[in-house]
Amino acid sequence: GAVVSQHPSRVICKSGTSVKIECRSLDFQATTMFWYRQFPKKSLMLMATSNEGSKATYEQGVEKDKFLINHASLTLSTLTVTSAHPEDSSFYICSARDRVAASTDTQYFGPGTRLTVL
Amino acid sequence: QKEVEQNSGPLSVPEGAIASLNCTYSDRVSQSFFWYRQYSGKSPELIMSIYSNGDKEDGRFTAQLNKASQYVSLLIRDSQPSDSATYLCAVATGSYGQNFVFGPGTRLSVLP
Repeated sequence: GAVVSQHPSRVICKSGTSVKIECRSLDFQATTMFWYRQFPKKSLMLMATSNEGSKATYEQGVEKDKFLINHASLTLSTLTVTSAHPEDSSFYICSARDRVAASTDTQYFGPGTRLTVL
Repeated sequence: QKEVEQNSGPLSVPEGAIASLNCTYSDRVSQSFFWYRQYSGKSPELIMSIYSNGDKEDGRFTAQLNKASQYVSLLIRDSQPSDSATYLCAVATGSYGQNFVFGPGTRLSVLP
């Protein structure tokens, strides 16, 4: 149980284009989903917290107009990197919290999306 | 500022030995504690969660929590080369555990 998928797993795009990443909880309903970014050999950096049906809460320093987050259902959240630039190249990972599990603060991670902007 | 600290390592242990990973946290009201394992190029996977003081065992893994000392550790018995990875400590705070803070991770290398 507690499986989270992400799509695509890898994307290469040209500078200036937008990229959408999907995060799905496959066997549970996720009240909250989280989006992280990780640079090589660095720890996870929380970008934003997304609650179903409401606006995402962004961490300090993360541009909400550049990283658009939509959490339209209890099983799907999307992150769109708009007008991507080479410095946006990173490993993007989502996680989800199970709505009904006894341990409601456990986060389950998706496999990640590696974005390369040329 | 809520902080979670770990030794970055690398921590090297011989195969079959016990690996001991440590984590300290600054927020006294932290409620839940997690250990994740992350292989290079992969996303983190949950190993253990612990909520009460004391030890919690799951197979070769034992998590230890001491809230008074604001300290949580992970012991890996009979370490295997496949255990070589970065281990992330995570602490959840807030009324519903909604604030999740990760430590920088400790890189473990198990030598055959």
